[in-house]
Amino acid sequence: SQTIHQWPATLVQPVGSPLSLECTVEGTSNPNLYWYRQAAGRGLQLLFYSVGIGQISSEVPQNLSASRPQDRQFILSSKKLLLSDSGFYLCAWSLPGQVPRNEQFFGPGTRLTVL
Amino acid sequence: AQSVTQPDIHITVSEGASLELRCNYSYGATPYLFWYVQSPGQGLQLLLKYFSGDTLVQGIKGFEAEFKRSQSSFNLRKPSVHWSDAAEYFCAVGARGSNYKLTFGKGTLLTVNP
Repeated sequence: SQTIHQWPATLVQPVGSPLSLECTVEGTSNPNLYWYRQAAGRGLQLLFYSVGIGQISSEVPQNLSASRPQDRQFILSSKKLLLSDSGFYLCAWSLPGQVPRNEQFFGPGTRLTVL
Repeated sequence: AQSVTQPDIHITVSEGASLELRCNYSYGATPYLFWYVQSPGQGLQLLLKYFSGDTLVQGIKGFEAEFKRSQSSFNLRKPSVHWSDAAEYFCAVGARGSNYKLTFGKGTLLTVNP
């Protein structure tokens, strides 16, 4: 069966510090991968998605970047965090292919607080 | 582009009462529709999905949803709510040509009173 991992679970970082959040998926090959940010009362905002190694699409211009160095690894990064980067970050995967019927499966999330 | 509206930000029901959470979508063709549930501090779990065929779909945990094309709705229902159903519920839509993406509503927070 497939599983998705995210770490760390919680993170408190000062403004201006770098960020690296990691997501890995087990039990499937060539998944589509997604990073979302969730702020209270605002639902889920899609930040990045990837359909393959090295292929990243950005949905919202911002202080963040994403990379996919391996098939089942997705990393969210920032060189300098802003207060507005605080939130709950969710990684998700879906089966490969441009098939919107494929549901997305979510990881447990990372709670990021920028002080 | 498709969009999703969940009109109710917060709903409170008593344990054992029936539940209906509303979801309206905007899309020019038949969409792919999903309901997810999120417990506090957790990721999202898929409750059910609709692609085509029977407009009443059954999901996990005793939930069901009905697709009504004429009303552009996909409301989630449960006949008898349990305290463990307290969570936030998200409706999402995927569409042909949406390029792998789902569009999520802003969620409805469900509180269950004993």
